[in-house]
Amino acid sequence: SQQGEEDPQALSIQEGENATMNCSYKTSINNLQWYRQNSGRGLVHLILIRSNEREKHSGRLRVTLDTSKKSSSLLITASRAADTASYFCATVSTGANSKLTFGKGITLSVRP
Amino acid sequence: DTGVSQDPRHKITKRGQNVTFRCDPISEHNRLYWYRQTLGQGPEFLTYFQNEAQLEKSRLLSDRFSAERPKGSFSTLEIQRTEQGDSAMYLCASSSRDSRVYGYTFGSGTRLTVV
Repeated sequence: SQQGEEDPQALSIQEGENATMNCSYKTSINNLQWYRQNSGRGLVHLILIRSNEREKHSGRLRVTLDTSKKSSSLLITASRAADTASYFCATVSTGANSKLTFGKGITLSVRP
Repeated sequence: DTGVSQDPRHKITKRGQNVTFRCDPISEHNRLYWYRQTLGQGPEFLTYFQNEAQLEKSRLLSDRFSAERPKGSFSTLEIQRTEQGDSAMYLCASSSRDSRVYGYTFGSGTRLTVV
């Protein structure tokens, strides 16, 4: 079963704009991770935020986590055409092994 | 070490045939995972190994599915008597004890088509 839901399901923006993607989840978590997947390829790890963290940055990526609302957001600033991909949030639940549970993903299209 | 390798990249098989996929994880990683992904969906967990021990299996992993990781190195996923519903991308990932800091490394996947 899938843990979370991403919102929106699809997002289309112009190059240079910021893209914000949201994720909600259901259980208590140890950490939340975001992955990118280009069409027909494997997933690439982008960023991980632990349950005791509220915000984290990596290059053009900013992720926030609100454990009280069981939600996270991923912001990509100054988007590029190469950012076009599917983005997934995934959680490691508290007490579980390190198994990741994924949402359904968000399709991001960045128009040049 | 260039990452997680999966073989083959694509497999087309007739319904009822058996197929086997291979995953070579990053050599220092003791944890290995198999996921299945269908079109438009996120990856779904199938099974997890820590070294050679299979520690968890999803209910998705029916009796027709079996996975092994002999000697805690590469892993194989076998599907017996394939059905059209088995058509999907099969993803392998590995992680170290630091997966709670650095996340997983995924392979490029094996796309299975059952005709």
